[in-house]
Amino acid sequence: KNEVEQSPQNLTAQEGEFITINCSYSVGISALHWLQQHPGGGIVSLFMLSSGKKKHGRLIATINIQEKHSSLHITASHPRDSAVYICAVGNEMGRDDKIIFGKGTRLHILP
Amino acid sequence: GAVVSQHPSWVICKSGTSVKIECRSLDFQATTMFWYRQFPKQSLMLMATSNEGSKATYEQGVEKDKFLINHASLTLSTLTVTSAHPEDSSFYICSARVREGLSNEQFFGPGTRLTVL
Repeated sequence: KNEVEQSPQNLTAQEGEFITINCSYSVGISALHWLQQHPGGGIVSLFMLSSGKKKHGRLIATINIQEKHSSLHITASHPRDSAVYICAVGNEMGRDDKIIFGKGTRLHILP
Repeated sequence: GAVVSQHPSWVICKSGTSVKIECRSLDFQATTMFWYRQFPKQSLMLMATSNEGSKATYEQGVEKDKFLINHASLTLSTLTVTSAHPEDSSFYICSARVREGLSNEQFFGPGTRLTVL
């Protein structure tokens, strides 16, 4: 079992739909990252959080430390949101704090 | 949030040449920078951890003589792919970590796509 699991692996939705991507992890973490990777490859850091909830525009990220689970929500989705969304956790390993990446969720928003 | 830049964003080179990729933290000092590689449709894989002023720590299977890392200042780390071959074609991403008090935040660069002909 991977230490970071994302679901779904692939998601196709219509423009305007509310999108939820889930991330579960099995290790102790210092922080959780949500990254966006567009087809050209460029990576954008969306959120880094260690508790609670963060919001930026149409994006919302939540984390439940007790349940070791995080969700990324996109409201009023748009075709330009089509990308791969990657969940990554900073592993609590003393000072090393290596990042463990999920395999990503490929999101396709249809116009 | 803090910004990490990479240069170039993409590069095409001939087999046998060396390519240098820069990673800069633009508005903060990064004590540690990480270099990742991503092959098509795969997850990012950590190549090495770079601490300012000391030698990089390479992950198992990563050739230190092929992927030279220099972290000369708190805002700049470079990755040089020496004698590049087509199998080195990949997407290279850096991240930078800042430690301030209890903060242990890590920020990702946009990546550099390397194509070796």
